[in-house]
Amino acid sequence: GNSVTQMEGPVTLSEEAFLTINCTYTATGYPSLFWYVQYPGEGLQLLLKATKADDKGSNKGFEATYRKETTSFHLEKGSVQVSDSAVYFCALTRRDDKIIFGKGTRLHILP
Amino acid sequence: ETGVTQSPTHLIKTRGQQVTLRCSSQSGHNTVSWYQQALGQGPQFIFQYYREEENGRGNFPPRFSGLQFPNYSSELNVNALELDDSALYLCASSLDNRGAGEQFFGPGTRLTVL
Repeated sequence: GNSVTQMEGPVTLSEEAFLTINCTYTATGYPSLFWYVQYPGEGLQLLLKATKADDKGSNKGFEATYRKETTSFHLEKGSVQVSDSAVYFCALTRRDDKIIFGKGTRLHILP
Repeated sequence: ETGVTQSPTHLIKTRGQQVTLRCSSQSGHNTVSWYQQALGQGPQFIFQYYREEENGRGNFPPRFSGLQFPNYSSELNVNALELDDSALYLCASSLDNRGAGEQFFGPGTRLTVL
């Protein structure tokens, strides 16, 4: 079946460090891929998405590239800020629009 | 344009009781999906409603049921509550039930079952 595996947290970095959160997926066909973010006390927000192979999603300095050959969608940011502290979820969806989420990665950014 | 709202924000119930959670979808959206997020886990799909009809269901027992109303708001009902039902319940709305439509999530209802 379809599934998403992402690196376990928590991930702790200093401000301005480079961030990578790994995500790989298993799916039949051609899913769309997403990163959602959940800030403390808030609901999920879509951070970025990519709908086909080699697409790059980007938002707020975050980027992720849909790599079909490695079934990956790793999240990267060149210089993190304290305000980026949150839980990040990698996710996929097929045409039925049900979203399948990974378990989430908690990110702590130290000033 | 109002976003997705959910009520109540917090709820405490005891085993065996029944609970109803409510969701108002974003203006113009006709599809509502419900997810259960246990502590430290990713959200798990419960079911989806499209134009008042159930349009897909995850691996949840029949005591989890739902409704969607003509204004596209929705309810999630859980009967015979169990301790493991304690979780954050998220509602998400979207336009149409096809393709990679972006889903907009509400802040969730935190249910505690004692």
